[in-house]
Amino acid sequence: GENVEQHPSTLSVQEGDSAVIKCTYSDSASNYFPWYKQELGKGPQLIIDIRSNVGEKKDQRIAVTLNKTAKHFSLHITETQPEDSAVYFCAASASGTYKYIFGTGTRLKVLA
Amino acid sequence: KAGVTQTPRYLIKTRGQQVTLSCSPISGHRSVSWYQQTPGQGLQFLFEYFSETQRNKGNFPGRFSGRQFSNSRSEMNVSTLELGDSALYLCASSLAGTGGQETQYFGPGTRLLVL
Repeated sequence: GENVEQHPSTLSVQEGDSAVIKCTYSDSASNYFPWYKQELGKGPQLIIDIRSNVGEKKDQRIAVTLNKTAKHFSLHITETQPEDSAVYFCAASASGTYKYIFGTGTRLKVLA
Repeated sequence: KAGVTQTPRYLIKTRGQQVTLSCSPISGHRSVSWYQQTPGQGLQFLFEYFSETQRNKGNFPGRFSGRQFSNSRSEMNVSTLELGDSALYLCASSLAGTGGQETQYFGPGTRLLVL
């Protein structure tokens, strides 16, 4: 069935270092891949997204890459700051399904 | 523009009771989706509504139901509550509900505890 695997489940980095989170999806019809950040007591907030016709997208310190052949997409955060500490979720969606399939989440800790 | 609002934010119920959760989407958004978030299962899709019609439903028992009103506000209902229904219930809205390549914006969630 539809599945999105996400790794690692926890990630600790020093402030200023980079963090990379990787996801793999199973449904080849998936064509939209958003990333969400969830802080304690809050709902998920969109931080960046990518569509299947694009290989890479960047927004300041955050970038996402997509490899459709391998069904992989990754989140890259550079120059991490303590406020980046949160749980990050990847998701995949296919046209006509009206739903997201979420990864299991990555708890990112940025150590000052 | 106001974000997605959900009420109530916290709820405590006992087994066997029923509960109704409410969601108001971002103004102008016509699609509303519901997700259940638990530590063990993560974020799981419940159902999606557009123009008062359910277009997709996740793998949840029939005790979970929902509806959407003409003003796009949505409610979900869980009947005969079980301990395993304890979770954060998240509502998300999107603009046109085209079904793909469209961003969903999430509310803060309703945390339900079943005792």
